[in-house]
Amino acid sequence: SFDLTQPPSVSVSPGQTARITCSGDALSKQYTYWYQQKPGQAPVMVIYKDNKRPSGIPERFSGSSSGTIVTLTISGVQAEDEADYYCQSADTRATYWVFGGGTKLTVL
Amino acid sequence: QEQLVESGGAVVQPGKSLKLSCVASGFTFSSITMHWVRQAPGKGLEWVAVIPYDATRRYYSDSVKGRFSISRDKSKKTLYLQMDNLGSEDTARYYCVRAGGDYPPHAFDMWGQGTMVTVS
Repeated sequence: SFDLTQPPSVSVSPGQTARITCSGDALSKQYTYWYQQKPGQAPVMVIYKDNKRPSGIPERFSGSSSGTIVTLTISGVQAEDEADYYCQSADTRATYWVFGGGTKLTVL
Repeated sequence: QEQLVESGGAVVQPGKSLKLSCVASGFTFSSITMHWVRQAPGKGLEWVAVIPYDATRRYYSDSVKGRFSISRDKSKKTLYLQMDNLGSEDTARYYCVRAGGDYPPHAFDMWGQGTMVTVS
């Protein structure tokens, strides 16, 4: 197995840019996926394959990757973006999937 | 309308068994890899198990290996999770998750609302 590490919390004011990192040795070889989870709701995928945005996800959500660190960026944060965010990846043989511990985004 | 609906969650005693179900609709269930993911109260997401579209192999997290079994019935468009020898550490909401769909195979692109399992 492998580990993915996220900061427990990130806080930003409305309109600012939020950056949430995810680090792990496996990320240099495997794609990363990001999920948003609001209280009482199921997670929703917001980024796939490091930097691609699913249909219906606002353009302010973007992803980037550099070596073993991937970053979810939310530009022009809105109050509705307040949620928990999880990164996720898989091992190279597709036998094991891992989530990061999650980051609580607070919009001040 | 694409949908995943889980059922079977309950309060069970330690050491007992429980079987969860997930009915899929609105997409071709027989051609999609499916996963179970769980979330303990107030905690993060934890991957549990996966089964490909043809059920030729199954993989499990270390925490459930040997106790849980994932299966699927394409005629009923249903995914299952048989959970044996349950412990308090298995208390969680269990989500049925589609992988891929219109996205790459590792993308968890559709989630059910989950079913709650409490071991007490």
